[in-house]
Amino acid sequence: DAGVIQSPRHEVTEMGQEVTLRCKPISGHNSLFWYRQTMMRGLELLIYFNNNVPIDDSGMPEDRFSAKMPNASFSTLKIQPSEPRDSAVYFCASSLPGGVPHGYTFGSGTRLTVV
Amino acid sequence: GEDVEQSLFLSVREGDSSVINCTYTDSSSTYLYWYKQEPGAGLQLLTYIFSNMDMKQDQRLTVLLNKKDKHLSLRIADTQTGDSAIYFCRNSNYQLIWGAGTKLIIKP
Repeated sequence: DAGVIQSPRHEVTEMGQEVTLRCKPISGHNSLFWYRQTMMRGLELLIYFNNNVPIDDSGMPEDRFSAKMPNASFSTLKIQPSEPRDSAVYFCASSLPGGVPHGYTFGSGTRLTVV
Repeated sequence: GEDVEQSLFLSVREGDSSVINCTYTDSSSTYLYWYKQEPGAGLQLLTYIFSNMDMKQDQRLTVLLNKKDKHLSLRIADTQTGDSAIYFCRNSNYQLIWGAGTKLIIKP
């Protein structure tokens, strides 16, 4: 298996533009997580899906952020409009049911820079 | 709310042992985990310990769990330059509380 695949690896965009980050979880994993990592705030859970349904989106910073999971093999995180303070590394992770220890896998992340 | 705390930096000499500490508040976690994040990469599961264990050893890694004090530690024996990374501890409830990460710096 290729692991959790995120695209793009790097994104540089201008303030005000829409940004879409993509994630393909590991086949058979039914939970998917979006995280944001910054120096100031560390690793923050943004939203968590189980069986394609959003379970907890309390970590989503504001209405500019939205996430979808139209099917078991694809999820997007959209920021519209983007702001410089959104600059961070965004990670997607997926896991097997019940959070079995070895079944929780991170993607390589998307480094977003908003100028 | 639930919390996991770690010191932000640890500096050790190559060949020495590194001990990375973590304290947590949630006593209901079934497992406690250590993840490693190398520069420019995602987090990788390094090891984990079941909550009814006190210690787990895996080659150069030793995990110690003190449930009474809610203290978790990761000991890396014979620390190498390849161990330079940020180490995260986390619990296993669904909120997935993460520590801030400890950056391990290796001095030659």
